[in-house]
Amino acid sequence: GAVVSQHPSRVICKSGTSVKIECRSLDFQATTMFWYRQFPKQSLMLMATSNEGSKATYEQGVEKDKFLINHASLTLSTLTVTSAHPEDSSFYICSARETGYSNQPQHFGDGTRLSIL
Amino acid sequence: EDQVTQSPEALRLQEGESSSLNCSYTVSGLRGLFWYRQDPGKGPEFLFTLYSAGEEKEKERLKATLTKKESFLHITAPKPEDSATYLCAVQGGNLIFGKGTKLSVKP
Repeated sequence: GAVVSQHPSRVICKSGTSVKIECRSLDFQATTMFWYRQFPKQSLMLMATSNEGSKATYEQGVEKDKFLINHASLTLSTLTVTSAHPEDSSFYICSARETGYSNQPQHFGDGTRLSIL
Repeated sequence: EDQVTQSPEALRLQEGESSSLNCSYTVSGLRGLFWYRQDPGKGPEFLFTLYSAGEEKEKERLKATLTKKESFLHITAPKPEDSATYLCAVQGGNLIFGKGTKLSVKP
């Protein structure tokens, strides 16, 4: 149980392209999903909290116009990196926590390796 | 400010050589401490949740313990397939992660 699916697993594209990453909770409902970014040998850094049916909450220093988040249903959140540039290259990971269980663990997708040329 | 520090940064063990990983934390209002395993190029895989000092959880060769200031992940008689990065995270407000301990187990 508690499976989170993230697609695509890898994206290589040219500078200026917009890239959409999907995160789905397969066997549970998630009012809240989370988007992280991870650099080599570094901690997972929370970028934003995605809330079903309302606006995402962004962490300090994260550009909301650069990283668009949509949480259209209880099982799907998307992150769109708009007009991506080489400095946006990173490993992006989503997670989800079952609705109504705020102290339960977050379950993670397998990440998306984004490479901007 | 909530903070998580893991040590050592890297640990190399021979197969069967037991050891422990440390996670020191400061958090205002601990709602849970979580251990995850992360393989290269993958997302973290949930292992354990601990909620209060004195609590212990076990799964196969792994055992997690919790005090008011730190948590330990004990690995008993590890095997090569236990090689991974082990992440500790604390839930106060947001979930805050440590940088992880990269464990390598040689046959």
